[in-house]
Formats: sequence, C-alpha cells, structure tokens
Amino acid sequence: DAKTTQPTSMDCAEGRAANLPCNHSTISGNEYVYWYRQIHSQGPQYIIHGLKNNETNEMASLIITEDRKSSTLILPHATLRDTAVYYCIVRVLFGNEKLTFGTGTRLTIIP
Amino acid sequence: GAVVSQHPSWVICKSGTSVKIECRSLDFQATTMFWYRQFPKQSLMLMATSNEGSKATYEQGVEKDKFLINHASLTLSTLTVTSAHPEDSSFYICSARDPGGPSGELFFGEGSRLTVL
Repeated sequence: DAKTTQPTSMDCAEGRAANLPCNHSTISGNEYVYWYRQIHSQGPQYIIHGLKNNETNEMASLIITEDRKSSTLILPHATLRDTAVYYCIVRVLFGNEKLTFGTGTRLTIIP
Repeated sequence: GAVVSQHPSWVICKSGTSVKIECRSLDFQATTMFWYRQFPKQSLMLMATSNEGSKATYEQGVEKDKFLINHASLTLSTLTVTSAHPEDSSFYICSARDPGGPSGELFFGEGSRLTVL
C-alpha cells in the first residue's frame, strides 16, 4: 500500500466545514483512497472512499485531485462528535486487504 | 450495515495469566480477519492476519507463540495473549471485510482494552 502524509492535528469550529488534507503522491492507478476515523477508545469507522471522481455520502465528501496525488475529506458541518483521529489510506480495492495506518490527523471540534 | 463485535470490551488480569479476546462478524462470513494493537496516542499496528481453517500470518516482530490466533469458523476469530505481562497492556482491535459488500471496506470491532497488572 502506498504511504500517505497527513497533518498531525487540526482544529475546526463547530458548525463549520472541516477540511482534512492527505498527500499520496506515490498512489498507483488501481489504488483507492479510503478514509476512516477513530473516536477515542473505539474501533475505526469507515467514512468514504474513492478512485478518481469526487464522492459524497451522508457523512462526508471526498475531493481527489486530477493527478490523484492528494485528496481532501470534507465534513460539511462539523459537530463535537466529529472530534476524532482521521486516517487516510490508499489500497487496492478487493486486493491486498491489509490496511496500514499512518499517524492520522487528530481533529478537534471547538464549541 | 456489516457489524464486527469484540468481547470482552475490557479486561484486567494478573501478570502471567492468559487472556482470550473474541472477534465475531455478526451478519456476514469472514474468511479473513485482522488483529491490530494500539498503544496510547499511537496508531494501529497490524499484528496478524487470521485465516479461517489455516494458520495465521504474523507481521514481523509479533511473537506467534505469545499471541495465539484461532479462526475456527467463518464468523469467529480469537486472540489469546499467553503469559501476559504489563507491557502487553494495550487496545486490541479486530477487523473483517464483508465479501458481499460492494466497496471492499473493512469493518472494525469496538476494541478490547487489556490491562495487565
């Protein structure tokens, strides 16, 4: 799996959009970008994934640059419950199933 | 959606004893499950891949005789920490992929916090 680079921590005001960047400059053509988050003392939770097109679901939006070397996870209206560590991971869909976690971004939502 | 459940959610044991943690896929069958360990303020570290009906595959540096993994059925994998010591105190997390799911995402258990006194 390709490596990713994320900022160590970020703050965001409650109600505002939280934009979490991720660099994955060595991503291969068949690798997807996955986002997970881990709330304190819980197991990671799947958020969203994408290949090259922007994606949106009920939790978040994923914007992938045209060259696929970076992406941004957007939480449109952050709440206090969104405080967590967010992990950006790249992997082959249905391929090597091992997920290798980097350090992630610790997002703190401020009241 | 698919659910993975772990038990117990927390356990405290004396040094030298063995502790078993269960990981169950509740609404799908998982031929492969993964066990992770996470120390405070650190990321998840993959320990081993649990394969139904065969031996687990351990990551480099993980002692297979200390962390026994048994994947006896398509819905259950167990991790036994043998002769536990205080340095084994950690948050253990399992995960599994729903092979019938459309997007290949892995689902994670709630985690099991082990404290060895």
